[in-house]
Amino acid sequence: TQLLEQSPQFLSIQEGENLTVYCNSSSVFSSLQWYRQEPGEGPVLLVTVVTGGEVKKLKRLTFQFGDARKDSSLHITAAQTGDTGLYLCAGTRGGAGSYQLTFGKGTKLSVIP
Amino acid sequence: GAGVSQSPSNKVTEKGKDVELRCDPISGHTALYWYRQSLGQGLEFLIYFQGNSAPDKSGLPSDRFSAERTGGSVSTLTIQRTQQEDSAVYLCASSFRNRRNTIYFGEGSWLTVV
Repeated sequence: TQLLEQSPQFLSIQEGENLTVYCNSSSVFSSLQWYRQEPGEGPVLLVTVVTGGEVKKLKRLTFQFGDARKDSSLHITAAQTGDTGLYLCAGTRGGAGSYQLTFGKGTKLSVIP
Repeated sequence: GAGVSQSPSNKVTEKGKDVELRCDPISGHTALYWYRQSLGQGLEFLIYFQGNSAPDKSGLPSDRFSAERTGGSVSTLTIQRTQQEDSAVYLCASSFRNRRNTIYFGEGSWLTVV
């Protein structure tokens, strides 16, 4: 059983469109992170959210942590070809000192020019 | 270097052979992690080192896997008697001890067992 379920698995959109990807769990996480991974590279941290209901913006990317800290979403406005990649969510459970990240399988995004 | 450095970047080995994967963390980072990314799977935690403390080996999938970290810096992940199911990308990451929400990954070592 996957602790963090990401949807959709694959997403192909035209440049300029908006999109939302989801990360859901039945478990509570003390923090949740989003990463982007490009082929042949390691994941790169985009954001960390720690408070239920928290919303963070990073240019055209908006991240939200659910009120119950069980789910999160990533919304991209006016997607660009440079947004193409694998988006991974990862959570930590337990106290603030927890270091073990639990990852979802990812959403593979393709932005077509 | 500025980032986490891993070697080799690609390794093809025959089933039954031993392999060693190396990770050089960011200078000053006391925490070091190994994760495995298999095709179609999410990243899977393997092992965690923090300073001179005993490592958390709870994620190692079998006793064929071991890791060490010498001098609180470079780490080596060793897989003995490799099996085809060991084929994956092995990712190393590092962080400051008090900033474990911000970890930096290397580019990974792609292992193929034939």
